[in-house]
Amino acid sequence: DAKTTQPPSMDCAEGRAANLPCNHSTISGNEYVYWYRQIHSQGPQYIIHGLKNNETNEMASLIITEDRKSSTLILPHATLRDTAVYYCIVENSGYALNFGKGTSLLVTP
Amino acid sequence: DTEVTQTPKHLVMGMTNKKSLKCEQHMGHRAMYWYKQKAKKPPELMFVYSYEKLSINESVPSRFSPECPNSSLLNLHLHALQPEDSALYLCASSRPTSAYEQYFGPGTRLTVT
Repeated sequence: DAKTTQPPSMDCAEGRAANLPCNHSTISGNEYVYWYRQIHSQGPQYIIHGLKNNETNEMASLIITEDRKSSTLILPHATLRDTAVYYCIVENSGYALNFGKGTSLLVTP
Repeated sequence: DTEVTQTPKHLVMGMTNKKSLKCEQHMGHRAMYWYKQKAKKPPELMFVYSYEKLSINESVPSRFSPECPNSSLLNLHLHALQPEDSALYLCASSRPTSAYEQYFGPGTRLTVT
């Protein structure tokens, strides 16, 4: 069973914020939420991760709801280069990244 | 240097051939991974090496044989593959205690004829 549910595709206008949702209603207390993205013809790229608190780095922000059943990845000012498949991953195994189907984000001019 | 390199970029091989995929990193990471990715599908974990020892084999057929000769190199030896093994093969590395932050190479696009 998939641990996460993401919309299959989303569009975003260049320069606007891209808000990518992820549902993980069965998350357990010690599982982290990780986000990766895969630009076409490249390997996946780590973006950000979090447990309970909201997190921000130079690439994105991660907002996790108080009940931890869902999260949102925010790209504050999307560019054409942000067009990619975005994967939300919930894991605590310590080694495995079980990629789900992800969200294909298209940033348009 | 945060780069993981993979060679070759593309490989076409027959079902009776023996070939190898190579992966290299110089970040001092002691965990390395092989993933397989079919078209329009997410990557699937195949093998995990930790401190140069195989720690995870996700029930991969024996026609795929991994090898980690040292802490910077990871090989995947291929023999008697099937056409359905055609895929993008991705290598990744991480600190063993930070497996959530994996650095991926660009992959080798394998076609089995």
